[in-house]
Amino acid sequence: GAVVSQHPSRVICKSGTSVKIECRSLDFQATTMFWYRQFPKKSLMLMATSNEGSKATYEQGVEKDKFLINHASLTLSTLTVTSAHPEDSSFYICSAREMEGTSPLHFGNGTRLTVT
Amino acid sequence: KNQVEQSPQSLIILEGKNCTLQCNYTVSPFSNLRWYKQDTGRGPVSLTIMTFSENTKSNGRYTATLDADTKQSSLHITASQLSDSASYICVVSGQGYSTLTFGKGTMLLVSP
Repeated sequence: GAVVSQHPSRVICKSGTSVKIECRSLDFQATTMFWYRQFPKKSLMLMATSNEGSKATYEQGVEKDKFLINHASLTLSTLTVTSAHPEDSSFYICSAREMEGTSPLHFGNGTRLTVT
Repeated sequence: KNQVEQSPQSLIILEGKNCTLQCNYTVSPFSNLRWYKQDTGRGPVSLTIMTFSENTKSNGRYTATLDADTKQSSLHITASQLSDSASYICVVSGQGYSTLTFGKGTMLLVSP
């Protein structure tokens, strides 16, 4: 079945540095991918919709300059957390859907970001 | 405002017992409702999908129901196993490609 690969699974970085997270659709093309953030025991919160070849669409309250999204190909989207701070520590998950309609979202296994 | 409410927030049951999770939504217009299982530290995995015309659908020990009139769905787990311990998330799709509303999930713990 369709698989979404997310890398890295865990990352620890120092405050002020930037971290890049990759999301790849392994056996299908995804013109649109989604990035979520999840705090402990909380639901997924959509951060932005990543569109191949164009700018990402950010949800209200999400800083575009802090969470840079690049969707350079039909199988790869990246999320870069710039100038990370401890409050950015969270679980970040991406998802993609093979086609519109009722096909399921395929989620990556998430990236646990810890900013020290 | 589109909303998805799940209950209970958390649940502990003994291995082998059955349980039912609830999902109420206000998403309109409605396209479909999907239940996902999320193991700790992993991404969610789809269990079932319900469209407007479907009332019930099973996937092994998981049975989902949908009442589109009352905008309610349930996920029934039969003969629970320890591996069923996870968060179960209800996601409702409205019309439009990226119109998704997530519930906060029900955390299920199956104890031996």
